Amino acid sequence: EAAVTQSPRSKVAVTGGKVTLSCHQTNNHDYMYWYRQDTGHGLRLIHYSYVADSTEKGDIPDGYKASRPSQENFSLILELASLSQTAVYFCASRVSGTGQLYFGEGSKLTVL
Amino acid sequence: GDSVTQTEGPVTVSESESLIINCTYSATSIAYPNLFWYVRYPGEGLQLLLKVITAGQKGSSRGFEATYNKETTSFHLQKASVQESDSAVYYCALGNSNNRIFFGDGTQLVVKP
Repeated sequence: EAAVTQSPRSKVAVTGGKVTLSCHQTNNHDYMYWYRQDTGHGLRLIHYSYVADSTEKGDIPDGYKASRPSQENFSLILELASLSQTAVYFCASRVSGTGQLYFGEGSKLTVL
Repeated sequence: GDSVTQTEGPVTVSESESLIINCTYSATSIAYPNLFWYVRYPGEGLQLLLKVITAGQKGSSRGFEATYNKETTSFHLQKASVQESDSAVYYCALGNSNNRIFFGDGTQLVVKP
């Protein structure tokens, strides 16, 4: 069973502060994704990566950076957190070709 | 662009009744996208329920079924007789040729005992 772990699971940040959300997967998956979910809405893709040291923009990349230093780790960075970035963030991984995503438990971010 | 639209929730049904959650998709980047249903049970993470990658095929899992209909661009989720344990949020999703997966807004299903 694929294992994707996120940290922190919950965070309160101040406007203008820097936030780093981390994701670690233990199953050698090629692809990793960061999604954002707002209450009552679906998941929207922020950034993704298919290989270490390379990241791609998703549909809503503005205000976010991503880093993939190794196959196992994928971070989402908010350099200047804003109120509008309050949401739950999900990391996911998948093996190339299968299409199935394996999700982490989510990180709830509140920006005050 | 590619997108997914699904039944707006919450959907409330009584135990043993039938269920259908509608899902239609728009795929401009790929002729035959991969289609998925994901589910989040209370207190659990999002997980795959079923997937179909070939048009005309049907996927099934846990008593749920969904048929990939290329003509109507639909992938409706159905179950003949729901149980209280099926109460969850269900997400339809589409995978395109650029390795992106697009999700609908989710449909909360409430099954009354």
